[in-house]
Amino acid sequence: NAGVTQTPKFRVLKTGQSMTLLCAQDMNHEYMYWYRQDPGMGLRLIHYSVGEGTTAKGEVPDGYNVSRLKKQNFLLGLESAAPSQTSVYFCASSYSPRTYGYTFGSGTRLTVV
Amino acid sequence: GESVGLHLPTLSVQEGDNSIINCAYSNSASDYFIWYKQESGKGPQFIIDIRSNMDKRQGQRVTVLLNKTVKHLSLQIAATQPGDSAVYFCAERGAYGQNFVFGPGTRLSVLP
Repeated sequence: NAGVTQTPKFRVLKTGQSMTLLCAQDMNHEYMYWYRQDPGMGLRLIHYSVGEGTTAKGEVPDGYNVSRLKKQNFLLGLESAAPSQTSVYFCASSYSPRTYGYTFGSGTRLTVV
Repeated sequence: GESVGLHLPTLSVQEGDNSIINCAYSNSASDYFIWYKQESGKGPQFIIDIRSNMDKRQGQRVTVLLNKTVKHLSLQIAATQPGDSAVYFCAERGAYGQNFVFGPGTRLSVLP
């Protein structure tokens, strides 16, 4: 049971480049989330999904897009990377946030130069 | 939660002592709270949770206390060990919301 797997673990992008971060969970969770974590700050929600085919904006969605075509996968896209998007990105999933907390992946460290 | 900028609050304790990490939450309607532990280079891990109909919950070496009157949550770690060194986050969920809101975190440093 792998839990939540994020790929890649590290990436360096040039300003203006695009990339996709992949999150995969094998726990049959309905809910999935993308967070960013910056030094000294808590986790900030970018986008989330309450089920296959659904997405919704979180606290800091600008500059990001997401897709949930399959229940087990949640993709985070950066169309034109900016230095302000340098951060550590965490994916999380939950069976039911009313009853349970989140299971987090190990993170993707992204640097935009 | 409040942002403390680049510098996390830090709690330093001697190995073997008890640790108390505090968290002030913002929403009086929050009904579910979780403490997470994040070790360097890893994702947050669930430690213990508590619902608003309780004021205390105990786990293995950890206790969470909830004071709804002053919107305060605390995590107590008994006999703190070097492996407890990490950043600890509290998270709250509003009664009608689906998403948790995370606090900025506290760094726990265990001294030998």
